[in-house]
Amino acid sequence: DQQVKQNSPSLSVQEGRISILNCDYTNSMFDYFLWYKKYPAEGPTFLISISSIKDKNEDGRFTVFLNKSAKHLSLHIVPSQPGDSAVYFCAASAASGGSYIPTFGRGTSLIVHP
Amino acid sequence: GAVVSQHPSWVICKSGTSVKIECRSLDFQATTMFWYRQFPKQSLMLMATSNEGSKATYEQGVEKDKFLINHASLTLSTLTVTSAHPEDSSFYICSARGGTSGTDTQYFGPGTRLTVL
Repeated sequence: DQQVKQNSPSLSVQEGRISILNCDYTNSMFDYFLWYKKYPAEGPTFLISISSIKDKNEDGRFTVFLNKSAKHLSLHIVPSQPGDSAVYFCAASAASGGSYIPTFGRGTSLIVHP
Repeated sequence: GAVVSQHPSWVICKSGTSVKIECRSLDFQATTMFWYRQFPKQSLMLMATSNEGSKATYEQGVEKDKFLINHASLTLSTLTVTSAHPEDSSFYICSARGGTSGTDTQYFGPGTRLTVL
């Protein structure tokens, strides 16, 4: 049973527009969330994280929103650029509970068209 | 950010042979290292977690006698796939973390593509 779900396997966006990648989780013990970006045949690269004590974290063009009651988080990229085309993984961990090993979603493939 | 390297980046071997993959943290000491496996269009599947100087903790369903993990130093962990079979063909990725806090960032290596003929 998947505890972290990324229900959209792919997303296509025009350059300059906003990309919104979604992630849902089922484990209420999760309190720390991360987004990773992965290019083909490469390892994932850390993008941004958010703790459950916050509902928003922003870093440049990337913003992560957390809705704890809905067990939902999203990554917003604005403006989207062709170089953002990659697979994005959402991950969650129960950091304060001592289980600090993140569980990953299946990923969403983002394609940004020029 | 911190750099994690893997060697080799790709390997082709015959069925029945063993393959060793190295994972190194180049500019930090990795208290914990993780080994993942990724199948096409699927998520990263955690295989095992290793702490320097102690035995690795394997996830359910992962054969510890088949996937030998050694975390001999704070900068090196190795994964040996013993008696490899075609179904072991996959993309293996390691990651390393400098601390033990749940909020410490994991840094991933570039991955190793294993093809077993």
